[in-house]
Amino acid sequence: DVVMTQSPLSLPVTLGQPASISCRSSQSLVFSDGDTYLHWLQQRPGQSPRRLIYKVSKRDSGVPDRFSGSGSGTDFTLKISRVEAEDVGVYYCVQGTHGITFGQGTRLEIK
Amino acid sequence: QVQLVQSGTEVKKPGASVKVSCKASGYSFTGYYIHWIRQAPGQGLEWMGWVNPNNGGTNYAQKFHGWVTMTRDTSITTAYMDLSRLTSDDTAVYYCARVDSSTWSFDHWGQGTQITVSS
Repeated sequence: DVVMTQSPLSLPVTLGQPASISCRSSQSLVFSDGDTYLHWLQQRPGQSPRRLIYKVSKRDSGVPDRFSGSGSGTDFTLKISRVEAEDVGVYYCVQGTHGITFGQGTRLEIK
Repeated sequence: QVQLVQSGTEVKKPGASVKVSCKASGYSFTGYYIHWIRQAPGQGLEWMGWVNPNNGGTNYAQKFHGWVTMTRDTSITTAYMDLSRLTSDDTAVYYCARVDSSTWSFDHWGQGTQITVSS
């Protein structure tokens, strides 16, 4: 099974400052069709998860452009250019190339 | 708009079974797989499996083989997740989520169903 490892697991950030979350997979997430099925979810407190980014870097409609995704192969990053209060929650990477596997989650909090 | 509306909170005794429903609306039900994911208290997300509403095909995570059953009723655009032989470790919020086959990602989620297993 593919193992997804996120870091850090806890991320205290000052409002207005950038934040970065790393996600590493135990094997390449490039599928035979050439696409990479690595996505990012946000789960605000008390809410269902919500997709932010799909296929590494494509932002969902309605997602602020301060969120961006990058990476390739086995190493991926979610960046928030300027953290706002509404960004508090847990962020998960999830891969769909080899079945479905979630990362452990990164809890973002305001310092 | 796309909506996935799940059934309500359940409290079950150890050894019982539970069936959670996920009513889909706002899109072609047979065109998208429905996955089930659970989240134990204070924990992360755990993928359980999927059902293909088009033909009823299923795929379960190895851990859940033999004690989860995922079905669907196309006449009422509803997917179901049936979990048997419940233990306290099954206490969790259970989510259904739609997967877009072009991205193989969860693009819409249900509101979650709390299942508590307690004697």
